[in-house]
Amino acid sequence: AQSVTQPDIHITVSEGASLELRCNYSYGATPYLFWYVQSPGQGLQLLLKYFSGDTLVQGIKGFEAEFKRSQSSFNLRKPSVHWSDAAEYFCAGRKAAGNKLTFGGGTRVLVKP
Amino acid sequence: DTAVSQTPKYLVTQMGNDKSIKCEQNLGHDTMYWYKQDSKKFLKIMFSYNNKELIINETVPNRFSPKSPDKAHLNLHINSLELGDSAVYFCASSHGAGGARNQPQHFGDGTRLSIL
Repeated sequence: AQSVTQPDIHITVSEGASLELRCNYSYGATPYLFWYVQSPGQGLQLLLKYFSGDTLVQGIKGFEAEFKRSQSSFNLRKPSVHWSDAAEYFCAGRKAAGNKLTFGGGTRVLVKP
Repeated sequence: DTAVSQTPKYLVTQMGNDKSIKCEQNLGHDTMYWYKQDSKKFLKIMFSYNNKELIINETVPNRFSPKSPDKAHLNLHINSLELGDSAVYFCASSHGAGGARNQPQHFGDGTRLSIL
């Protein structure tokens, strides 16, 4: 069965420090992968997506993610975190020929001043 | 100019009641979805419609009935509400059944349902 796993439930990072959120996937073939962000009380906003091609993808708000087939990972990174980046982050995947998005459990990011 | 809009944003009601949540998208998408986010923030798909036709129906109690009057709308009706139905329900939309056109799903802001 397809699955997406986010090993870290919480991450605390100081403002200005770098951030990396982990995501691992388990699919029969390379899935389409996404990162979404959910601010408190808000909906989900798409940060970036990977379908094929260049394994380093750039997103909005200064985020990027790297697809690594050998590690079945799609980790999200940001070089310098801002206080407004405090939110819940979700990795999600789906089969190339499917509609059903499978979400990871989410990682809550707290930003210290 | 809201892309995916859900109403109401908050819904507080008693056990046993019947309620509906509405969703509309103005993105020209032909596929719409309902997701449930539980108290632990876990998100799971419930239903998906493509051009008014049901294409995904996960293991959801039959008290939940989606209805798509046209491809821009997908409503969710819930009968005989139970305490366990308390959650945030998200509507989403995208292009293409079968993942065509490599398009991501766009989400609404959610409807927070609280059962007393």
